[in-house]
Amino acid sequence: QQKVQQSPESLIVPEGAMTSLNCTFSDSASQYFAWYRQHSGKAPKALMSIFSNGEKEEGRFTIHLNKASLHFSLHIRDSQPSDSALYLCAVSMGTQVVGQLTFGRGTRLQVYA
Amino acid sequence: NAGVIQTPRHKVTGKGQEATLWCEPISGHSAVFWYRQTIVQGLEFLTYFRNQAPIDDSGMPKERFSAQMPNQSHSTLKIQSTQPQDSAVYLCASKLGYQDTQYFGPGTRLLVL
Repeated sequence: QQKVQQSPESLIVPEGAMTSLNCTFSDSASQYFAWYRQHSGKAPKALMSIFSNGEKEEGRFTIHLNKASLHFSLHIRDSQPSDSALYLCAVSMGTQVVGQLTFGRGTRLQVYA
Repeated sequence: NAGVIQTPRHKVTGKGQEATLWCEPISGHSAVFWYRQTIVQGLEFLTYFRNQAPIDDSGMPKERFSAQMPNQSHSTLKIQSTQPQDSAVYLCASKLGYQDTQYFGPGTRLLVL
């Protein structure tokens, strides 16, 4: 059964800092890797996703995947107080169609001004 | 686009009572997922429909939980004989069949006393 683990559990950074969040998964057959962000009391919202090894950048956010290491990460450049939230990584086994997601427990990020 | 709609937003039941949770997916989305979120377990997959057909219910506690999707505009999750350990936020998500991103609703917070 897929195990997804995140580190650190929580993180406090100053405004403008680079923030790095990590996620490891157990099943090497995993095909889809995503990050979701959940503000307090709100629905999780997709941030970024990736299928293949390498990096993808969208604005201040970069996702990096290394399947051989069973690891992917999210990097936030120029962190803002509005980035304060619970960050959830998610993995799916789906090949042709991405199905259900297995989530990590989350990293709680606080960005202070 | 109203997003995924979940009702009720909050529900309090007594131990042993039945709870029915409703989800209206985004119009045109063919896949519907149910997840449960608690502080202890995090966000866990329960069940998944594609084009109204059940695809995977491997996350469902078999004895008391059931889910249906009678038409493309709504799905229900029913919990019979609720127990205090069923207290959680129940999240519904939907997606287009050919896309990967799941869009979550705001959740139903269930409290079993």
